Amino acid sequence: GEEVAQTPKHLVRGEGQKAKLYCAPIKGHSYVFWYQQVLKNEFKFLISFQNENVFDETGMPKERFSAKCLPNSPCSLEIQATKLEDSAVYFCASSQLQVNEQFFGPGTRLTVL
Amino acid sequence: AQKITQTQPGMFVQEKEAVTLDCTYDTSDPSYGLFWYKQPSSGEMIFLIYQGSYDQQNATEGRYSLNFQKARKSANLVISASQLGDSAMYFCAMRESNSGGGADGLTFGKGTHLIIQP
Repeated sequence: GEEVAQTPKHLVRGEGQKAKLYCAPIKGHSYVFWYQQVLKNEFKFLISFQNENVFDETGMPKERFSAKCLPNSPCSLEIQATKLEDSAVYFCASSQLQVNEQFFGPGTRLTVL
Repeated sequence: AQKITQTQPGMFVQEKEAVTLDCTYDTSDPSYGLFWYKQPSSGEMIFLIYQGSYDQQNATEGRYSLNFQKARKSANLVISASQLGDSAMYFCAMRESNSGGGADGLTFGKGTHLIIQP
């Protein structure tokens, strides 16, 4: 597609439950990125992929967060045993080349109660 | 230390005036890219403009231009002839080359909330 698609738009989970977010990058884009935006102005880079391979996961809290980008499937970000502090908007972005501008999806708002 | 610093948490500007949003960055990587994004109240992130560290000329995209001063490590966004629809949060971001060992993703500043007044 011509835009990055993210589903669901909103997700509500009780503390300790699992949350799974999906992202379809722009067709032809090889790089996918996940970001977490907390409090409307704090962005944190989580992980990036080059096609289905993890490129950089230095921002991922690995004990509870995992992500995949499999061929012919949307990319996914999964949070096991969510905590209150995971409440945020999660953005997926894609780019054609490593150094190009990243185009963002509309985001998934996760609320952990 | 902050990698991206946006010193203006909020700005009020009269419609049709030019606006300069400040951004300074910190990197030891010789190869990097600088980006500006707009985030309206609806929440989406809109790419505005990009400047590569080796680009000789300042980037321009319509009413947006980037005042790139490499020695000062600043990358200010200039919006000419501001419009009411320009009211939004504006984020400056940097991407360092992975060879520097830095994170591959964008590093964002804390943003500037721009309000255009009629």
